[in-house]
Amino acid sequence: DAGVIQSPRHEVTEMGQEVTLRCKPISGHNSLFWYRQTMMRGLELLIYFNNNVPIDDSGMPEDRFSAKMPNASFSTLKIQPSEPRDSAVYFCASRGRGVHYEQYFGPGTRLTVT
Amino acid sequence: AQTVTQSQPEMSVQEAETVTLSCTYDTSESDYYLFWYKQPPSRQMILVIRQEAYKQQNATENRFSVNFQKAAKSFSLKISDSQLGDAAMYFCAYRSANTGNQFYFGTGTSLTVIP
Repeated sequence: DAGVIQSPRHEVTEMGQEVTLRCKPISGHNSLFWYRQTMMRGLELLIYFNNNVPIDDSGMPEDRFSAKMPNASFSTLKIQPSEPRDSAVYFCASRGRGVHYEQYFGPGTRLTVT
Repeated sequence: AQTVTQSQPEMSVQEAETVTLSCTYDTSESDYYLFWYKQPPSRQMILVIRQEAYKQQNATENRFSVNFQKAAKSFSLKISDSQLGDAAMYFCAYRSANTGNQFYFGTGTSLTVIP
């Protein structure tokens, strides 16, 4: 299995621009998670989906952030407009059904907003 | 919400020695799972070890083992025969067995391995 795939791996953009991060979960997994990691705040859960349905988006910082999961094999996290304080590493993780309770993380997207 | 606490922001160990990373958690549940993840400089989050709360036996994966004390809500990670490749951030995580998918992560411990 290819594991969780994220793109792009690095993104540099200017303040005010729209940013879209993409994630492909492991095939067969039914839960998907978006995290943000910064030095100041550590690893924060932004939102998670179960069977493509958003379950908990209380971690989404503000209305500039939105996430979608149109099907079981794809999810996006969009920031519009982006701000310098959004600079962070964004991780996507997926989890399967049954006894395999751990999450598998993608390699992350390092976002820099100038 | 459950909280996970890692009280050691940084730790160091001599190569080939043993080191223990601490983790405590707060929960009112009896059925849950605990995890240790490793994040090397590559940023990839890698699962190191998992413990089911209903199991009394401590989990072991090669050089990695845990000391799970359910009553004390403590879940420490022991790394034996430390290697240079063990240098990384280590995160402790909690997940309820009953109330959904959400994982709760600690703030991490940065481990340095000294040659």
